[in-house]
Amino acid sequence: DIQMTQSPSSMSASVGDRVTISCRASQDIHTWLAWYQQKPGKVPKLLIYGASTLQGGVPSRFSGSGSGTHFTLTISNLQPEDFATYYCQQANNFPFAFGPGTTVEIK
Amino acid sequence: QVQLEESGPGLVKPSETLSLTCTVSGDSVSSGSYYWTWIRQPPGKGLEWIGYMYGTGGTKYSPPLSSRLTISVDRSKNQFSLELRSVTAADTAIYYCARLYTALDFWGQGTLVTVSS
Repeated sequence: DIQMTQSPSSMSASVGDRVTISCRASQDIHTWLAWYQQKPGKVPKLLIYGASTLQGGVPSRFSGSGSGTHFTLTISNLQPEDFATYYCQQANNFPFAFGPGTTVEIK
Repeated sequence: QVQLEESGPGLVKPSETLSLTCTVSGDSVSSGSYYWTWIRQPPGKGLEWIGYMYGTGGTKYSPPLSSRLTISVDRSKNQFSLELRSVTAADTAIYYCARLYTALDFWGQGTLVTVSS
C-alpha cells in the first residue's frame, strides 16, 4: 500500500501569511493527489485535485503543485477562515490513503 | 446539486454488525463515471478509507477491513450501504459516504457510530 506523510503536523501562522504544507507519497503517484480542508465538526471539503487543479468555488489563494512523490499545498495571504486541518490523499492505487493531516492554527 | 445522506443506528454493541445506508440525490449510483465510497474518522483522528463500489456493482475494500465488510447497492432506491461485522470499540467513528471521481467531491454530513455495550 502507498503511505502518505505530511509536514509539518501542525503550525501557527498569522492572517496574511503565506503557508506551505508538504505531502509525500511512498511511491510514484504521478499527479493523482488531492487536498482537503476540514474545520472542527465539519465535513472535509475538496480544495485541489490532480495535484494542481482548483475545485470550483475554492479561492485562488489556494494552490497545489508537485508530481511523483512530493507535493505542496500553498495558501497565500492566509485568511481567518483558513484555520483548519488539511489532508492530502492519493488516488493512484487503492486504498487511496490520506495523509495524517496538518493543522494550521492562529499565532 | 449532488447530495448524499447517511442513515443508521448511532449505537452498536460490540461483536454485532454496523449497518449504514447512504441515499444519493442529484446523481445515480448506477453511473459508470463515479465510485461511491465509505470513509470513517475516529473521534479526534484522521480520515480512513473503508471501501467503495462502482456503477457496475463491483467493490473494493480496504484490506484491514475486508474480512468484515460488505458494500452493496439498492439501485431502485438510489442507495448504497455498508455492513461491518463483529465490531469493536476501535470501529467507533464518524462514518461518511462520498462520491469519488478523481477526488472526493461530494460528501454526506457524516454520522457518528459508537460501539459500546
